[in-house]
Amino acid sequence: ETGVTQSPTHLIKTRGQQVTLRCSSQSGHNTVSWYQQALGQGPQFIFQYYREEENGRGNFPPRFSGLQFPNYSSELNVNALELDDSALYLCASSLTGSTDTQYFGPGTRLTVL
Amino acid sequence: AQSVTQLDSQVPVFEEAPVELRCNYSSSVSVYLFWYVQYPNQGLQLLLKYLSGSTLVKGINGFEAEFNKSQTSFHLRKPSVHISDTAEYFCAVRSTGNQFYFGTGTSLTVIP
Repeated sequence: ETGVTQSPTHLIKTRGQQVTLRCSSQSGHNTVSWYQQALGQGPQFIFQYYREEENGRGNFPPRFSGLQFPNYSSELNVNALELDDSALYLCASSLTGSTDTQYFGPGTRLTVL
Repeated sequence: AQSVTQLDSQVPVFEEAPVELRCNYSSSVSVYLFWYVQYPNQGLQLLLKYLSGSTLVKGINGFEAEFNKSQTSFHLRKPSVHISDTAEYFCAVRSTGNQFYFGTGTSLTVIP
């Protein structure tokens, strides 16, 4: 088991609403990354947080934002939801500065109607 | 920017036959390479990784991959597949900025 958990498992929202997804990192990991995986596609990097600050961002608009807390749990917030935001959202924890790998959670399936 | 190309979107193979899933990457700098497996409705699980050293990397579940710098490839192989290997497989590159770039995935179907 990787030790990375995500909540909720599934979520249904309507266009224009806001959503918050949560991730609990593996113990001791100080970095969390979020990914969007559309149906039939590979994960796309959204952003990464290290020590509660954004530490890199992919090609996603500002309505995608995040938070990382001192206990290394984190949130992904998406405002003004669009239909194309429907996807599996994955978080992954790792140790920055090492050559270690990322450990993924099971994901949150978001459906925007 | 990095990019990862998985040349086969779907690979059907009979049980106990060998399989190779192909992955090519583009990079002008050193990279770290990974293969992940994703079972239906689950997150990604690490199969193996190449960081440095021996170009032949062995992973879990009998999988192995070979890093070929001149061909910028990192193909995944297994000498004999099982039904339980049916899943989606993703090749990924990690840049020096600690960001991961994934391919579009290869769906492996093992036929009884």
